[in-house]
Amino acid sequence: AQSVTQLDSQVPVFEEAPVELRCNYSSSVSVYLFWYVQYPNQGLQLLLKYLSGSTLVKGINGFEAEFNKSQTSFHLRKPSVHISDTAEYFCAVSSNAGGTSYGKLTFGQGTILTVHP
Amino acid sequence: DGGITQSPKYLFRKEGQNVTLSCEQNLNHDAMYWYRQDPGQGLRLIYYSQIVNDFQKGDIAEGYSVSREKKESFPLTVTSAQKNPTAFYLCASSTGTQGSEAFFGQGTRLTVV
Repeated sequence: AQSVTQLDSQVPVFEEAPVELRCNYSSSVSVYLFWYVQYPNQGLQLLLKYLSGSTLVKGINGFEAEFNKSQTSFHLRKPSVHISDTAEYFCAVSSNAGGTSYGKLTFGQGTILTVHP
Repeated sequence: DGGITQSPKYLFRKEGQNVTLSCEQNLNHDAMYWYRQDPGQGLRLIYYSQIVNDFQKGDIAEGYSVSREKKESFPLTVTSAQKNPTAFYLCASSTGTQGSEAFFGQGTRLTVV
């Protein structure tokens, strides 16, 4: 079984400030990690994903995340946020259990990022 | 444009009625999924399908049913047995291979009164 914990349910920041959204996971097998963004009343859009290789992953809209296997974390960062980054962010994991992942994702509870002017 | 279409966007039903949510994809993906979203609980997997004519229960399948008669379509029926059906429902698809990302529709907000 696998699980994902997003450590902050809400993160308020001022425009142009840096932000970090924290994500920890647990799994007994190798995992693939994802960050998605959701704007109000819309579906989810992929920001970035980690499959293998470099532990620093760059995504869209200036976001990046770092995979830390020893700490089982995959925190999302942006050096300078904009008002338009206000949204809910979800960390997700899929595993390699049984030889295929089937694309099934286990999601965290979400972090609402609010950027204030 | 390739993508996933969910309809309708908003749906109202009376308690005790079954209701079917539509999900169509033209991405030629093998796998499709239904998730339920409630505030503060993230997304929870209801059902998924790896291939046509096959589907599996997810974490919260009770009170729901699905079918997968065509590769492009994966409708979800919310039955009267679902005790708390009011929620935001998201359909997704993927290639179903290792590490594949899921592509999401715009969601259907179901309100049962």
